[in-house]
Amino acid sequence: SQTIHQWPATLVQPVGSPLSLECTVEGTSNPNLYWYRQAAGRGLQLLFYSVGIGQISSEVPQNLSASRPQDRQFILSSKKLLLSDSGFYLCAWGGRGSEAFFGQGTRLTVV
Amino acid sequence: GIQVEQSPPDLILQEGANSTLRCNFSDSVNNLQWFHQNPWGQLINLFYIPSGTKQNGRLSATTVATERYSLLYISSSQTTDSGVYFCAVPTGANNLFFGTGTRLTVIP
Repeated sequence: SQTIHQWPATLVQPVGSPLSLECTVEGTSNPNLYWYRQAAGRGLQLLFYSVGIGQISSEVPQNLSASRPQDRQFILSSKKLLLSDSGFYLCAWGGRGSEAFFGQGTRLTVV
Repeated sequence: GIQVEQSPPDLILQEGANSTLRCNFSDSVNNLQWFHQNPWGQLINLFYIPSGTKQNGRLSATTVATERYSLLYISSSQTTDSGVYFCAVPTGANNLFFGTGTRLTVIP
């Protein structure tokens, strides 16, 4: 069966520091991968999605970037964090037009 | 773009009560998902329901695609049902668009 791993679970980072969040999927090939952010306890906003290795689409201009170096690996990065980057980040996978599944999330606090 | 609205925004229930959550969407969709976000933030898949009715234990869901709404029924609610319930629908380019959510609190 398919599983999705996301880490770390919590992260406290100072303003101006870099960020790297990693997500990996097991048990499936060529999945669509997604990064969402939840800022206020409800409402998820799509940040990036990827339909294949090296293919990244950005939905919202921001201080973040994403990369997909391997088929089942999706990374969310920032060179310099802002206070406004604080939030709950969720990785998800799904096939085109099929059910989506989410990782456990990373709660990021920028101080 | 598509609009997805959920009602009610907040709901407080006594343990054992039943409830109905509603999801309205503005455009035709070919599938719909219901999620429960627990107090730890994890999104748990409840139903993948493009149309018709599905049941899983005390929960059931009905989607009437032609009328652009879906309902989530919770029967005999328990404190562990507390959290936020989201519906989500796909948009054109691989995006799963989330509704506004219903925050459910079940009190013992």
